[in-house]
Amino acid sequence: DGGITQSPKYLFRKEGQNVTLSCEQNLNHDAMYWYRQDPGQGLRLIYYSQIVNDFQKGDIAEGYSVSREKKESFPLTVTSAQKNPTAFYLCASSIRGQDSPLHFGNGTRLTVT
Amino acid sequence: DQQVKQNSPSLSVQEGRISILNCDYTNSMFDYFLWYKKYPAEGPTFLISISSIKDKNEDGRFTVFLNKSAKHLSLHIVPSQPGDSAVYFCAASYWEGAQKLVFGQGTRLTINP
Repeated sequence: DGGITQSPKYLFRKEGQNVTLSCEQNLNHDAMYWYRQDPGQGLRLIYYSQIVNDFQKGDIAEGYSVSREKKESFPLTVTSAQKNPTAFYLCASSIRGQDSPLHFGNGTRLTVT
Repeated sequence: DQQVKQNSPSLSVQEGRISILNCDYTNSMFDYFLWYKKYPAEGPTFLISISSIKDKNEDGRFTVFLNKSAKHLSLHIVPSQPGDSAVYFCAASYWEGAQKLVFGQGTRLTINP
């Protein structure tokens, strides 16, 4: 059964610590994305990757880093430089090219105190 | 600058009636539009999309209408069912070396028995 797996579902960290969110897909999609959702707001793009070993900053990349060493995996690191890290993080993937819907994982709720 | 706006934060509809969710956009570069459905603590699920070369796309109970001159799209659900209760996001896409999606803030739809 193809899909996108994000783990863990809930994550708690102390301020000042880096944390890495996992995203794995078995849809054979080339493109992968990370979005952030805050209450009452739409999803905002953090980073995206069109192919292995290549990724680009989205609209709110500051304080985040990613890697794309394998087609199936696109982990997101929330660094201590991110000023407001508490949020719901969503990973997505799509067929590379125009007019391709994004398919989302079930998200990771990160709480930093 | 909110390029994609859903001006109704919530909508309540009686079961069996039509639900109409609206979305406005400002950027003329958008050429592909999507609707997603989202339950709490889950990722958005793709519902239906429309290319800018069309003005209507239908899939079962869901129909999306696009009015390019007014920069407006709408999602019609008929008949509405209790399972349709969720938050609905519209998204608009443009190509800039990669497909970029911009999301609205979402509309919470409640279907009353």
